[in-house]
Order: sequence, then C-alpha cells, then structure tokens
Amino acid sequence: ETGVTQSPTHLIKTRGQQVTLRCSSQSGHNTVSWYQQALGQGPQFIFQYYREEENGRGNFPPRFSGLQFPNYSSELNVNALELDDSALYLCASSLDQGIYGYTFGSGTRLTVV
Amino acid sequence: SQQGEEDPQALSIQEGENATMNCSYKTSINNLQWYRQNSGRGLVHLILIRSNEREKHSGRLRVTLDTSKKSSSLLITASRAADTASYFCAPPLQAGTALIFGKGTTLSVSS
Repeated sequence: ETGVTQSPTHLIKTRGQQVTLRCSSQSGHNTVSWYQQALGQGPQFIFQYYREEENGRGNFPPRFSGLQFPNYSSELNVNALELDDSALYLCASSLDQGIYGYTFGSGTRLTVV
Repeated sequence: SQQGEEDPQALSIQEGENATMNCSYKTSINNLQWYRQNSGRGLVHLILIRSNEREKHSGRLRVTLDTSKKSSSLLITASRAADTASYFCAPPLQAGTALIFGKGTTLSVSS
C-alpha cells in the first residue's frame, strides 16, 4: 500500500502571491488533515476533510482554504501570502477520522520572501 | 490553548538508557496518540491508546494512560541513537476531529 505523498517538497513564493499544495492520501483512507509547523513548534491544525466535506477547522484565517476530491486526495490553498506563512505544511490521512491514527506525508517546505 | 502538553521539553540520555516522556491534556478523550518526528520531516505514528486501556506496548515502547489525571507517558527502553527525534502526544480535540499537538519533547540519544 502507498503512503501519503505531498507535492511539491519545497517552494519559494513572494509575499502577496497565492500557493496550492497537494496531497495524495494513503490507499483506503477517506480523511485528510492539514497542519502548519513553524520552526521549533508543534504542528498546528488547519482543517480536516472527511469524505469531501470539511469537518473541522483550526484557528486560521479564511485565506487558508482547501478541497478534498472524490479519490480523497486534497489541496491546500493559501491566498495573499504573508512572511509568517513560511513553514512546513504537513498532510495526514486516515480512515474514518483517525480511528486508528494518522499517516503523515513528508511535508512541503514553503518559504515566503 | 493546546490540548496536549509534553514534559520535559528536552531530554538527553546515553544509548542503552530508558527515556520517559509525559503528556498532560485538558478535556475528555476517547484515545490518545503518540508520534515521532525526525528533524524537518513528517510525523510517524507510534502508538494509539484508547480511553479504556491503561497500558499498551509496541516493541521497545510502553505507553500508559491515566484518564483520571488526564495524563499519559511514553517509555522508550534501551534507547538507541536512532531514537533521537521529537516526540509528540496528540489527543483529538473532540471525537472524530483532527489532532492537537503540543511543542513536543526533543530526545537526544548519544552513543
């Protein structure tokens, strides 16, 4: 079975631009969560999708948005990038909202300059 | 406020020693999970313990859960240099929602 794949692995954007990060969930998983991890901090929950519906959201502004597709892959979109958006973005997939735990991808390192 | 708080924040030990990390949380849970993160990489799921379990083992890992004290501990026995990583406990904020992480415990195992 395949794990969670995130793309791209690294990205540099300019302040004010928009970015889309992608995540392919593990085979058989129907739930995807996104996290932002700043250097030296724990991952911060952005939002979660379960069967294409958003079913939880952390304390992030509306310029952070997402989608989950029928094949359960997902996108994270961030508009109007700010310098503080520079972080490691982690995607995690699970079966039925994490009843057995989550499988994480290796992350996308976003740098905003 | 964060749902899971790990203690200590940093731990340095020699190979072969045991490492114990503690976690406290605030609200009722139906399970609690522990994860490991090697520097700058994704998190690896270590173990999930349910609220009706008091102790769980997986290889060199032993996790305990005390729901009355809202606390958990992770014990790594006979540590190896490869165990060097950050360790996070993650109780779900609510049943069926995603995980809430603290700052983690950074474990350094020297040979």
